[in-house]
Amino acid sequence: DTEVTQTPKHLVMGMTNKKSLKCEQHMGHRAMYWYKQKAKKPPELMFVYSYEKLSINESVPSRFSPECPNSSLLNLHLHALQPEDSALYLCASSHPGQGTEQYFGPGTRLTVT
Amino acid sequence: QKEVEQDPGPLSVPEGAIVSLNCTYSNSAFQYFMWYRQYSRKGPELLMYTYSSGNKEDGRFTAQVDKSSKYISLFIRDSQPSDSATYLCAMSGLIKAAGNKLTFGGGTRVLVKP
Repeated sequence: DTEVTQTPKHLVMGMTNKKSLKCEQHMGHRAMYWYKQKAKKPPELMFVYSYEKLSINESVPSRFSPECPNSSLLNLHLHALQPEDSALYLCASSHPGQGTEQYFGPGTRLTVT
Repeated sequence: QKEVEQDPGPLSVPEGAIVSLNCTYSNSAFQYFMWYRQYSRKGPELLMYTYSSGNKEDGRFTAQVDKSSKYISLFIRDSQPSDSATYLCAMSGLIKAAGNKLTFGGGTRVLVKP
């Protein structure tokens, strides 16, 4: 099973709201990732967790706050977002280390009004 | 110059034709190469994974890596309308940082016409 699940599928939020995106995998992967994807562009890496510890933060604004409660779950907490943050947010997982395949979830389509 | 270059297309082919996709890259540290298929408004789906140079075949898909030319290819035989999607190449190298940072090409949009 190479499934990564994400909830919700769609999210509309105002600029003053607080919301969270959730990601789950049961492949035993110990590396998990958040990506942001704008239309007609490739995914852009935001954060990497390895063994439940934040290992890469690609200079993402603090209005995005990741959390990895355990080896199967990854959250992305959102607060005071801007309309330009509207995008498809993708979660992925892999075995940690170099050169391992990443498996993506279906994404959460976020619209900030 | 981008690290990974990929023609954005669209690439339009008739059903049953061979689809030929490619990426060029500049970073000689890249060792691991992946192809993803992404349907509109969906997450990328891993199609092929190869390490270093050589060929790999899986059903209708063949991936080729030529590290000497810094060039990778994906061929889709007997293309079907359901193959219409955006195809993304991705690659990573021997890096010490924890995790596995992928560098993506910009994606090629493919249309297979019945």
